Order: sequence, then structure tokens, then C-alpha cells
Amino acid sequence: EAQVTQNPRYLITVTGKKLTVTCSQNMNHEYMSWYRQDPGLGLRQIYYSMNVEVTDKGDVPEGYKVSRKEKRNFPLILESPSPNQTSLYFCASSLSIGTSLSDTQYFGPGTRLTVL
Amino acid sequence: SQQGEEDPQALSIQEGENATMNCSYKTSINNLQWYRQNSGRGLVHLILIRSNEREKHSGRLRVTLDTSKKSSSLLITASRAADTASYFCATDDRSNDYKLSFGAGTTVTVRA
Repeated sequence: EAQVTQNPRYLITVTGKKLTVTCSQNMNHEYMSWYRQDPGLGLRQIYYSMNVEVTDKGDVPEGYKVSRKEKRNFPLILESPSPNQTSLYFCASSLSIGTSLSDTQYFGPGTRLTVL
Repeated sequence: SQQGEEDPQALSIQEGENATMNCSYKTSINNLQWYRQNSGRGLVHLILIRSNEREKHSGRLRVTLDTSKKSSSLLITASRAADTASYFCATDDRSNDYKLSFGAGTTVTVRA
């Protein structure tokens, strides 16, 4: 089954304790992206990756890191989480970019992160 | 920064009625997409309309795009309880093809 998976689905942690949220897709998609969703703000893009070893900042990259060593995986790393990073996080992927983001984004189920 | 802005923020309708929501955006785009999100779950793609298209249909969905006004509308006809969800528009940015911006969404409640 074609899907985007995220782990963990729920995480409660404390300020400053490094964490990684994994994202994996089995559709051989080139493009992957991370979003955070906060009430009243919709989805905001954190980082995106056009292909292996190619990443770029979205609208809210501060406090986050990503890597794209393999096509299928795009982990989100919080080196020193803070309470303002408490949010619902979504990973998404799409087939290809070409000259514009014209492909359907497939979303993972979300990771609800609470930083105390 | 947020590119798309949906209007209204919330909408409550009776089953069988039509639901219309609007999206305005700021920059030139290549495409505009609409997504649906059921409570707390991942977004599901509904429809994509390209900048050179004015209207598109998919089942009970009708999307229009007016690039001169930088706006789009999503119409759901003959709504059902299962249409209760949040709806988001998403736009790329012609100056940066790889960034996708979502609005804050319209929450639609369909009453039985």
C-alpha cells in the first residue's frame, strides 16, 4: 500500500532533550516536506527536499534540522526542543517537481509533539 | 509567510445544501490545490487547478480560479455528513517552485 509513515505518532518530552521524528515513504517520491500545524495558523512548511541530499528551508525552519540521505526517508530533528515547538507535525511527499509543484502531496498521519 | 487565506473560517450547513469556501493568495502561482483534513488526521488531496485553468470539476466538487483577483473557490454540492472536515487551499509560488503554502483552513460542519 502506498503510504507515508511517521513515527512516533505521539511524543511528550522535556525542554532540551534532542528528538527525531522519522518519516518514510514507499512511493519512490522525489519531493518530501515537513509541516507543523497550529490552531488558527494552518500548516506551515518547515523544510523540504527536492531529492536526495537536497534540502531547503520553508517558512519556519528555526529550531529544526532535516536530512535526506536516502530517497525514502526524511527525518525531522529537534536538537533542543522548546515548548513553542509543541505542535502537530506532518510529513508529506510527492512524485516529482519538474518545474513546479504540480503533484499531489501525500500526507503522513501526523505526530503530536508536546514539549514540557 | 502564509500565502493562502481561506474564508470563511467556519461554515455550518444542513445535509444536502451546498458549501462554498474561498481562498485568496498573494503571489503569482503555477497551481492551486485543495485538501481536506478530518479531525487531527493527515490531509487528503482533493483537486488541483493550474493557473491557466478557470474551472475544474471532480465529482461533487467544483473549483474555480481567478488569477486576476488571486482567488479560488471550492464548492461542495449536495453535502453529506461525511463532508464534515477542514478544507485548505495550497499554493506554490512562481518565484520558488518548491515551496507550498497553506491557508489556515475553513472548518465545515454538515448537520444531519
